[in-house]
Amino acid sequence: QVQLQESGPGLVKPSETLSLTCTVSGDSINEYYWTWIRQPAGKGLEWIGRIFTTGSTDSNPSLKSRVTISVDTSKKMFSLRLSSVTAADTAVYYCARQRTSTSSLDPWGQGTLVTISS
Amino acid sequence: DIQMTQSPSSLSASVGDRVTITCRASQSVSSFLNWYQQKPGRSPKLLIFATSNVHNGVPSRFSGSGSGTDFTLTISSLQPEDFATYYCQQTYTTPPTFGPGTKVDIK
Repeated sequence: QVQLQESGPGLVKPSETLSLTCTVSGDSINEYYWTWIRQPAGKGLEWIGRIFTTGSTDSNPSLKSRVTISVDTSKKMFSLRLSSVTAADTAVYYCARQRTSTSSLDPWGQGTLVTISS
Repeated sequence: DIQMTQSPSSLSASVGDRVTITCRASQSVSSFLNWYQQKPGRSPKLLIFATSNVHNGVPSRFSGSGSGTDFTLTISSLQPEDFATYYCQQTYTTPPTFGPGTKVDIK
């Protein structure tokens, strides 16, 4: 079955760019939306954005100017870049597959904690 | 953005209890409402999609209902492995938004 794995630095300095990659295994990456979600410690879930395998993207307006999502279908990976980070961006970042018919998210990666600190 | 609220924010229940969690949207989301379960230190898992469809492998004690702005998740007989936080999510509009969560713990 499909599995997702996030990877990237666990510590990023304020004002720099957070970069994460999600690797897809066990199924094709094509014909799905691939999504990023984050969760600050002890808090709820925030949808960051998504990309279709054609490269079409949507981002949360609250983050839009700072978010870049890209996909490399040949490597079965998609990536998140979040620029000009602050401590408020400290969170566990998840990647997930979005089902096109219902827009539900399944499966999710295990998540990776990114801390913004100097 | 569509705002999602959940009630209660937390509840204590015993094994075998029937548990109902409510999710309300600030405007109609039709039937584009999903439920997720999250255990501490783990990623969320899809339970219910499109209001009432139980995801593959999810026990039949979980059910969902509702439409428009008001939705419920019901656990018919709470089991030890069900103690977790539950989130609703609307996918009717972009950005999709989540409720704040309902934590179910042991009485």
